Amino acid sequence: AQKITQTQPGMFVQEKEAVTLDCTYDTSDPSYGLFWYKQPSSGEMIFLIYQGSYDQQNATEGRYSLNFQKARKSANLVISASQLGDSAMYFCAMRGLETSGSRLTFGEGTQLTVNP
Amino acid sequence: DAGVIQSPRHEVTEMGQEVTLRCKPISGHNSLFWYRQTMMRGLELLIYFNNNVPIDDSGMPEDRFSAKMPNASFSTLKIQPSEPRDSAVYFCASSLRTSPYEQYFGPGTRLTVT
Repeated sequence: AQKITQTQPGMFVQEKEAVTLDCTYDTSDPSYGLFWYKQPSSGEMIFLIYQGSYDQQNATEGRYSLNFQKARKSANLVISASQLGDSAMYFCAMRGLETSGSRLTFGEGTQLTVNP
Repeated sequence: DAGVIQSPRHEVTEMGQEVTLRCKPISGHNSLFWYRQTMMRGLELLIYFNNNVPIDDSGMPEDRFSAKMPNASFSTLKIQPSEPRDSAVYFCASSLRTSPYEQYFGPGTRLTVT
């Protein structure tokens, strides 16, 4: 079984500052992938970034980076230089690469609000 | 390239009616997923297909729900008969079956059953 926990229902950040959204996970799968998705108020789900459990370096995609701490089972999303358009719900998800097929398990989400 | 296409975007129907949601995955993707999102239960996987074959339908709530994928470019999710508790946003997503297997979501269908 897999579980994703996002403990921050809501987060606030000032425009141009950095923000970290927390995600912890639990899995018995020795090999897995971690994902972050963004859901703006318009409703679509947008893939942001991926981290493989055996990747040596933390993933980065533009202003997004994933702070992966395997021993702590955490995969926090860091957004640098926040913009007003970053206001959205953010979901952490994982996939066990050996046991769960193509199934993604999602967390409950964190609502990020960027203030001007 | 076009993303995942879903239709209709909004559907309002009366309890007891049949509802059919449609999805066209990204061309070349060989996995397709149907999700349901509600405030109470969050994002739930209902069923997914690999190469048009249903692999895991354990998330399908009950026999009122059925999904088909007759070919690589089209899938349907049908609810018959619909009930008010089926009101939700239904997402279709697709992916390649190669690492990292990231899924690309459609815009969703907002279903309201009165």
